[in-house]
Amino acid sequence: SYELTQPPSVSVSPGQTASITCSGDKLGDKYACWYQQKPGQSPVLVIYQDSKRPSGIPERFSGSNSGNTATLTISGTQAMDEADYYCQAWDSGYVVFGGGTKLTVL
Amino acid sequence: EVQLVESGGGLVQPGGSLRLSCAASGFTFSSYWMHWVRQAPGKGLVWVSRINSDGSSTSYADSVKGRFTISRDNAKNTLYLQMNSLRAEDTAVYYCARDDLGGWFDPWGQGTLVTVSS
Repeated sequence: SYELTQPPSVSVSPGQTASITCSGDKLGDKYACWYQQKPGQSPVLVIYQDSKRPSGIPERFSGSNSGNTATLTISGTQAMDEADYYCQAWDSGYVVFGGGTKLTVL
Repeated sequence: EVQLVESGGGLVQPGGSLRLSCAASGFTFSSYWMHWVRQAPGKGLVWVSRINSDGSSTSYADSVKGRFTISRDNAKNTLYLQMNSLRAEDTAVYYCARDDLGGWFDPWGQGTLVTVSS
């Protein structure tokens, strides 16, 4: 079965750029999207179709996808961005989530 | 406002059954695929099942295939998940989510907790 691999944790200082990766076989041939989940809350879509931002999502969130890796980039990271982030893609008609990355802003 | 509200969770014994519901509002429910996703306590998101817009096609994760059934009532704007032969490892918050016509999920409901324990 298809797997998406994320680092368990990423740390970033306020105002700096955070990058969260998601790796999967030929992931660049698929569309990737990203969700943010804060403690006790439901996931929220932050990036879809590799690099598009839904309305209401700040411009500091961006995405890319090439080769075997999709990347979520948060520029000028703020304390409010501290959360778990999950990548998601489709493979052979099934939905796959990455294991999630805890972003710590310190 | 687009909204999804789950209900039906609770405590059930191993081997028991439970039916979850997801009430949709604020959009044309019958035009969208829908999904169930679960999250065990302290763990990540796991896709469970999806149904197409008219209910004629479904798919399931291997871990629930043969035990869970997804369905929908477009007249009632409601999505369902019938869960049978429940196991301790099915304990999780269950979210319904709209497939936003491109394979991404937006929005998500608030979730309903299912606890399987004796």
